[in-house]
Amino acid sequence: DTGVSQNPRHKITKRGQNVTFRCDPISEHNRLYWYRQTLGQGPEFLTYFQNEAQLEKSRLLSDRFSAERPKGSFSTLEIQRTEQGDSAMYLCASILTGELFFGEGSRLTVL
Amino acid sequence: AQKVTQAQTEISVVEKEDVTLDCVYETRDTTYYLFWYKQPPSGELVFLIRRNSFDEQNEISGRYSWNFQKSTSSFNFTITASQVVDSAVYFCALSEFAQGAQKLVFGQGTRLTINP
Repeated sequence: DTGVSQNPRHKITKRGQNVTFRCDPISEHNRLYWYRQTLGQGPEFLTYFQNEAQLEKSRLLSDRFSAERPKGSFSTLEIQRTEQGDSAMYLCASILTGELFFGEGSRLTVL
Repeated sequence: AQKVTQAQTEISVVEKEDVTLDCVYETRDTTYYLFWYKQPPSGELVFLIRRNSFDEQNEISGRYSWNFQKSTSSFNFTITASQVVDSAVYFCALSEFAQGAQKLVFGQGTRLTINP
């Protein structure tokens, strides 16, 4: 499968724990995005990378969130000291030109 | 600020009926892109169409058609002769052209259920 790959697909954690999600974009895609989708809502933009540079961050991305894309390939999204409000689907997307290709998402449940 | 409104939260129809999903957007930009995505239960957002603000021609792709009307800031999506496999959540989205970064603003989505 040469699409956007995300893992883990599901993560259940206790409040206060740290979690990390990984996204492997389509190999030649130089731009990578993270979105968050809560139940019953549309996805909301979190952050964007061009190659390894993080070029934009939404105000939704609090200090507890950090994203990286070392070497411009895969990306990680870490959430520290999780809160119940962090429960959501975290979607990764990549693009070279044209349209965004989305992964199947990583669903986080914070108990 | 940009905004996308999908007023229909849920729609349920019987197979073979035609169904239209409404999308109204707000932007101050003169150049922008509009999109429709489909989200099946698996969660992956599937791209359906992209339209730039200068192209108001309606588009048809098989059973799918899109009606872009700049005068009313609407970009509606019609499925003709619906099928059970069309059941999904559908999202309309807006992107600024100048950014080139595909930072999309999504509507809340319309959950479409096609009953056999």
